[in-house]
Amino acid sequence: GEDVEQSPFLSVREGDSSVINCTYTDSSSTYLYWYKQEPGAGLQLLTYIFSNMDMKQDQRLTVLLNKKDKHLSLRIADTQTGDSAIYFCAEKRDDKIIFGKGTRLHILP
Amino acid sequence: ETGVTQTPRHLVMGMTNKKSLKCEQHLGHNAMYWYKQSAKKPLELMFVYNFKEQTENNSVPSRFSPECPNSSHLFLHLHTLQPEDSALYLCASSQGRGTSGVHEQFFGPGTRLTVL
Repeated sequence: GEDVEQSPFLSVREGDSSVINCTYTDSSSTYLYWYKQEPGAGLQLLTYIFSNMDMKQDQRLTVLLNKKDKHLSLRIADTQTGDSAIYFCAEKRDDKIIFGKGTRLHILP
Repeated sequence: ETGVTQTPRHLVMGMTNKKSLKCEQHLGHNAMYWYKQSAKKPLELMFVYNFKEQTENNSVPSRFSPECPNSSHLFLHLHTLQPEDSALYLCASSQGRGTSGVHEQFFGPGTRLTVL
């Protein structure tokens, strides 16, 4: 299909790891992104991965890329209440950024 | 002010009104974008400007009219809107149009528009 697909919701207990999954569409996409949108705010780039990598780690964030399956995931270790937000997967297709519908991450106490 | 600012933050308008949304970026970028964010839909790119020139119009109805007087300011003029146009309208900017490199886009907080 044409869309970047994500599950709409994810609930995780505080302190656990969150894993947000995404499938994208274009095997020639050069960059894959995770953007975060907190309530009342615009999207903010959280992290990105270049298509020739399969993993990128940045503090509590780990991005995994499976190019064969066109699957991208974002793992947030030790999830905190401040991680509560909508997470958007996106791919760079030519000069455009194509966004998914977002996954709303809810943190349980 | 830093980053990307948008005004107003909330707007309620009738279908016969004319209003404008304003976006300003303080990042020295040369590309600016309007996006529409609706519930349960992907973020929709509406317009792209690069160095004040419109480079993309994604089949947006003519009741939405963009204006980019300079690289720092972007407007979206609204007239005779429909209730289905109610959404969060996000402005973004980037350094370059994104033909190479990471192409990070910086977003404003959005204008929540309600059309009655």
